[in-house]
Amino acid sequence: RKEVEQDPGPFNVPEGATVAFNCTYSNSASQSFFWYRQDCRKEPKLLMSVYSSGNEDGRFTAQLNRASQYISLLIRDSKLSDSATYLCVVSPTGKLIFGQGTTLQVKP
Amino acid sequence: GAGVSQSPSNKVTEKGKDVELRCDPISGHTALYWYRQSLGQGLEFLIYFQGNSAPDKSGLPSDRFSAERTGGSVSTLTIQRTQQEDSAVYLCASSLSAGSYNEQFFGPGTRLTVL
Repeated sequence: RKEVEQDPGPFNVPEGATVAFNCTYSNSASQSFFWYRQDCRKEPKLLMSVYSSGNEDGRFTAQLNRASQYISLLIRDSKLSDSATYLCVVSPTGKLIFGQGTTLQVKP
Repeated sequence: GAGVSQSPSNKVTEKGKDVELRCDPISGHTALYWYRQSLGQGLEFLIYFQGNSAPDKSGLPSDRFSAERTGGSVSTLTIQRTQQEDSAVYLCASSLSAGSYNEQFFGPGTRLTVL
């Protein structure tokens, strides 16, 4: 079983849609949680950190449920430029453990 | 300012040859990480360095893989006797210090193809 599991998708949604991604992790000692974004043939870039209290950055909302070991990302009012792969990431120590990524394609 | 740089951007080699991949972290970042991304495996951790501490090598897949970081800055990842399954994009990242809460900034990667 992978340490971080995500639905690979692809999620195909129209512009303006709301889309949600989920992931689960197996290491209960994980301390930090992130969503990274990766565009095709580019390096991953931090989208946002995820906190138990939930956090929002514009159209993006991330949630963490430590008891269920579950992380979510909600994107509202999808834009064409949101098309990318979204990587769920946990960090039990300094290193990052990545999920396989969920591919989002936003269509006009 | 300058981000993480890696060289070469692409490397094609023959099975059995040794390769060296280079990473220049962001100036002032004390932690440096190597990951690789291959089809079907996603992104996986290889090794990380933090200052003068012993590196965490727990992700290296075999003893053909090694890395060093000289002078606390530039790092070299060496793969000896390359195999076709070593083909992947090798990504380097750096952060201000090691620790779960510090953002890691990634370089553009080196695409390695082993024929």
